[in-house]
Amino acid sequence: GQNIDQPTEMTATEGAIVQINCTYQTSGFNGLFWYQQHAGEAPTFLSYNVLDGLEEKGRFSSFLSRSKGYSYLLLKELQMKDSASYLCAALDSNYQLIWGAGTKLIIKP
Amino acid sequence: GAVVSQHPSWVICKSGTSVKIECRSLDFQATTMFWYRQFPKQSLMLMATSNEGSKATYEQGVEKDKFLINHASLTLSTLTVTSAHPEDSSFYICSARGGQVDWVYEQYFGPGTRLTVT
Repeated sequence: GQNIDQPTEMTATEGAIVQINCTYQTSGFNGLFWYQQHAGEAPTFLSYNVLDGLEEKGRFSSFLSRSKGYSYLLLKELQMKDSASYLCAALDSNYQLIWGAGTKLIIKP
Repeated sequence: GAVVSQHPSWVICKSGTSVKIECRSLDFQATTMFWYRQFPKQSLMLMATSNEGSKATYEQGVEKDKFLINHASLTLSTLTVTSAHPEDSSFYICSARGGQVDWVYEQYFGPGTRLTVT
């Protein structure tokens, strides 16, 4: 079956760095997305990786290892507004997104 | 960037009535649209996938006669919740995917519709 695993909840301190991990098992693979979702709002796109390696975009970076079925989202210089759920989603062979349950990130002052 | 709108953003209806939610891609043609449901503190649950001009494909456990989906044009899809019951109260989110934007397979999300059935 297809499966996406990510931690349910993480806590970090304002100004620090946090890494949210995601492992996936899908029928075929056409890339991995990270989305941010604030409570009561729709998800917003953060990143897309299809090749191995690290993609950096400002304070956020995303890493992919296809051989390990593993990705992480790295958030630097954490701000209170980064408190949200972070959703990992893999694109399968049918180009359908398989969603993880999301990681709720709590930022403390 | 690609923008997807949803209307209404929230709706309250009485049990037994039907509610229609519209999803529009404003600046691109959406070849595929997706409808999700999200209960509080839970992840997105895909309800159905629709391609313009064809019948929607429903996920297992989703009643196609209760959740009617129409994708009549490349910019509009509608979800009608028929004979709504309190357990249908949820956050309904649509997303759209088009072939002409940079990220061919990225999904662009609408802002969501919060449905409360009393």
